[in-house]
Amino acid sequence: NAGVMQNPRHLVRRRGQEARLRCSPMKGHSHVYWYRQLPEEGLKFMVYLQKENIIDESGMPKERFSAEFPKEGPSILRIQQVVRGDSAAYFCASSPPVAGAYNEQFFGPGTRLTVL
Amino acid sequence: GQSLEQPSEVTAVEGAIVQINCTYQTSGFYGLSWYQQHDGGAPTFLSYNGLDGLEETGRFSSFLSRSDSYGYLLLQELQMKDSASYFCAALMNRDDKIIFGKGTRLHILP
Repeated sequence: NAGVMQNPRHLVRRRGQEARLRCSPMKGHSHVYWYRQLPEEGLKFMVYLQKENIIDESGMPKERFSAEFPKEGPSILRIQQVVRGDSAAYFCASSPPVAGAYNEQFFGPGTRLTVL
Repeated sequence: GQSLEQPSEVTAVEGAIVQINCTYQTSGFYGLSWYQQHDGGAPTFLSYNGLDGLEETGRFSSFLSRSDSYGYLLLQELQMKDSASYFCAALMNRDDKIIFGKGTRLHILP
């Protein structure tokens, strides 16, 4: 059973370009979460999605950032017109439709975005 | 606001015991989790406390006191491979987002 998959693992963009980060949850998981981590910092919640629905986007910047989790295919975190401050590691996590006893989230390996 | 406070760094000796404390201030608190993250790696789940008291999983134990808004992670028989960052994380509601602390970097001396 493959774990959470994210691609690309490393992404380099120039200021003003768009970044698209993909996340395929674990098989059977329907809940997807995106987090951002700056160096030497904790993970900051960005958005929580279920298939075709955004459940909580309270951590998403108001502009340039968007997320989706279509009926088919991976979840996408999209950053338009990237700036240097967007450089960070972006982690995706997934959980099953019915929370287990430990309410555990399973994390992918992350995408490290560098904006030049 | 919602915040979790934990020490930024802790140093311990191989074979010893170390405790990492976490205090939280959140609304809609459901439970407290602990995650481990090695440099360059992904966070991995260690333990969860939904109820007050101690949960033991091998060398790791975790404790929660809701009345004190406080928890801790206890690591016993420390091994060099335990050198990592440890994050306490508050689950806001079942199936909902997790609010992470800034992490405690654990250094282990031989």
